[in-house]
Amino acid sequence: DSGVTQTPKHLITATGQRVTLRCSPRSGDLSVYWYQQSLDQGLQFLIQYYNGEERAKGNILERFSAQQFPDLHSELNLSSLELGDSALYFCASSVGGAGVSYNEQFFGPGTRLTVL
Amino acid sequence: KNEVEQSPQNLTAQEGEFITINCSYSVGISALHWLQQHPGGGIVSLFMLSSGKKKHGRLIATINIQEKHSSLHITASHPRDSAVYICAVILGFSQKLVFGQGARLTINP
Repeated sequence: DSGVTQTPKHLITATGQRVTLRCSPRSGDLSVYWYQQSLDQGLQFLIQYYNGEERAKGNILERFSAQQFPDLHSELNLSSLELGDSALYFCASSVGGAGVSYNEQFFGPGTRLTVL
Repeated sequence: KNEVEQSPQNLTAQEGEFITINCSYSVGISALHWLQQHPGGGIVSLFMLSSGKKKHGRLIATINIQEKHSSLHITASHPRDSAVYICAVILGFSQKLVFGQGARLTINP
C-alpha cells in the first residue's frame, strides 16, 4: 500500500458525460501528479500540482481539468467524454515537486474509466 | 522514436532463471524509476536511481548515465514476479515522468 488513495476504483459512463476522479496523496506529500494509461498510448503524464498550484502540464486535453485543494487532495475532471478516453487514470504523490531535486513518486491504485 | 525504449518487450522464462530488462533513453535525465505493474493494474515503485546500483531483495537496478542505459535484474525468478516492468525517466529539472512502453515478464513454474 503506497498510501495514495483514489476513488472510485471503477467508473462506467456514457459518451458526452462528465466525471470527477479523486486522489488523496500520502500524508505529508505536497505534489500530486495525474497520469493516463490507455492501451494504444501507454502511460502519459497529464498534469502536476504542487501545494495547490499547477506546476507542470503534459498531454492533457482541453476537455480535462484538475485542481488541488487546501487539504492537498486533488480532483481530475473529465468532460464531454469520448470512447477514446477509456483508460486507467493514476495519480501519484511526492514530498516535493519543485526545484532541482527529484522526489520519488508513489502511485495510487488507479481509477478504471470505461466510456460506452 | 520514443525517448525511452525498453527491451525485450515480452519475455517468458522458467522459474529460477536470471532475468534482465533493459532501458535506453535518448535525453538528459535527473533520475530514473523502475516500476512494476501487476495484472490488476496497480503500479508499484521498485527503484529510483540517478547513479550506480541499487539492490532490494532479489531485484537489482543499475544505471549508466554516460551510456544513457539502465538495467533491471531479477535473480532466482518466481511466478509472482510475472508483471509488466516499466522504466520511467525524469527529464532534466522537471518532475515529469516519461515512460517506456513496458516489458511484460511471464515466469512459468
